[in-house]
Amino acid sequence: NAGVTQTPKFQVLKTGQSMTLQCAQDMNHNSMYWYRQDPGMGLRLIYYSASEGTTDKGEVPNGYNVSRLNKREFSLRLESAAPSQTSVYFCASSGNSQETQYFGPGTRLLVL
Amino acid sequence: AQSVTQLDSQVPVFEEAPVELRCNYSSSVSVYLFWYVQYPNQGLQLLLKYLSGSTLVKGINGFEAEFNKSQTSFHLRKPSVHISDTAEYFCAVTAHNTDKLIFGTGTRLQVFP
Repeated sequence: NAGVTQTPKFQVLKTGQSMTLQCAQDMNHNSMYWYRQDPGMGLRLIYYSASEGTTDKGEVPNGYNVSRLNKREFSLRLESAAPSQTSVYFCASSGNSQETQYFGPGTRLLVL
Repeated sequence: AQSVTQLDSQVPVFEEAPVELRCNYSSSVSVYLFWYVQYPNQGLQLLLKYLSGSTLVKGINGFEAEFNKSQTSFHLRKPSVHISDTAEYFCAVTAHNTDKLIFGTGTRLQVFP
């Protein structure tokens, strides 16, 4: 039982490059989330998916797109990376709002 | 909309001393409240949560928190901290009618020997 897995763990991009962050969960959870963590700002929600086939914007969606590929997988895409997107990205999943969110180990992204 | 304020960005404390990490929230509807801990270079894990019922909630590693509706607070406490409690602690809130969890900016607890 791996919980929530994220790939890659580290990534360096040049401004303007694109990439996709992958997330998968094996807990049969309906809801999945993408957050970014920046010093002094806590975690901010980028996008979330309350169920397979649905996605909604969070607090900071600009510059990102998501895909809920199936119940297990939720990917985050940066179409044209900018230095302001340098951050640590966390994926999480939960059964519903009353339940614990389980977090992946994070992806550290540096955009030069 | 909901919001969370963690009043202290850093809390230094000596080992075996008590500690309180403060959290206040704002919401026009009923909420669920959570405390998460993040150890260095790791993801977040749940310490405890308040959904309903008793306002005193006990969590893992000897932590507890008290929900105070009149003061809109959910402060985290531990009577005697260990070096291993050094970490960042996040308070979070979600409304009953949404899946979105709103996090505070975090409190870095540093325990000194």
